Amino acid sequence: EAQVTQNPRYLITVTGKKLTVTCSQNMNHEYMSWYRQDPGLGLRQIYYSMNVEVTDKGDVPEGYKVSRKEKRNFPLILESPSPNQTSLYFCASSQRSSGTSTDTQYFGPGTRLTVL
Amino acid sequence: RKEVEQDPGPFNVPEGATVAFNCTYSNSASQSFFWYRQDCRKEPKLLMSVYSSGNEDGRFTAQLNRASQYISLLIRDSKLSDSATYLCVVNGAGGYNKLIFGAGTRLAVHP
Repeated sequence: EAQVTQNPRYLITVTGKKLTVTCSQNMNHEYMSWYRQDPGLGLRQIYYSMNVEVTDKGDVPEGYKVSRKEKRNFPLILESPSPNQTSLYFCASSQRSSGTSTDTQYFGPGTRLTVL
Repeated sequence: RKEVEQDPGPFNVPEGATVAFNCTYSNSASQSFFWYRQDCRKEPKLLMSVYSSGNEDGRFTAQLNRASQYISLLIRDSKLSDSATYLCVVNGAGGYNKLIFGAGTRLAVHP
């Protein structure tokens, strides 16, 4: 089954404790990205990757890191989480990054993170 | 001003009603437009792309007005299962697949 998976689905942590949220897709997609969703703000892009070893900042990259060592995986790293990073996080992938209407983005099930 | 703006709702409608949502976008260079559906606490899923000539998929019709920079979604014969949040999504200019999401319009269909 074609899918995007994220782990963990739920996480409660404390300020300053490094964490990683994993994202994996089995569709051989080139493009992957991370979003956070907060009430009233919609999804905001954190980082994106157009292919292996190619990553770039989205709209809200502060406090996050990513890596793309393999095509299928795109982990999100919070080196020192803070309470303002409490949010619902989605990983997404699409076949290409050309921005055409055929490039449907497929989302993972989401990770609900609470930082105390 | 937000890049993509939507009325948050909620729109409370009875089954069988016709309901329409509008969404405005600020970047006139935007090239691709979509409606995504998001159920409570779930991931967004593509409902339909929006083409310049307008397009229809069953009970759903999407329209694009480039001159006024808005897109619309019309749902006919609403079903209980249509209850969800509908996200207006616009492809940002820049040559890559950067999607800009509206905050969503919540629809609640009641019996």
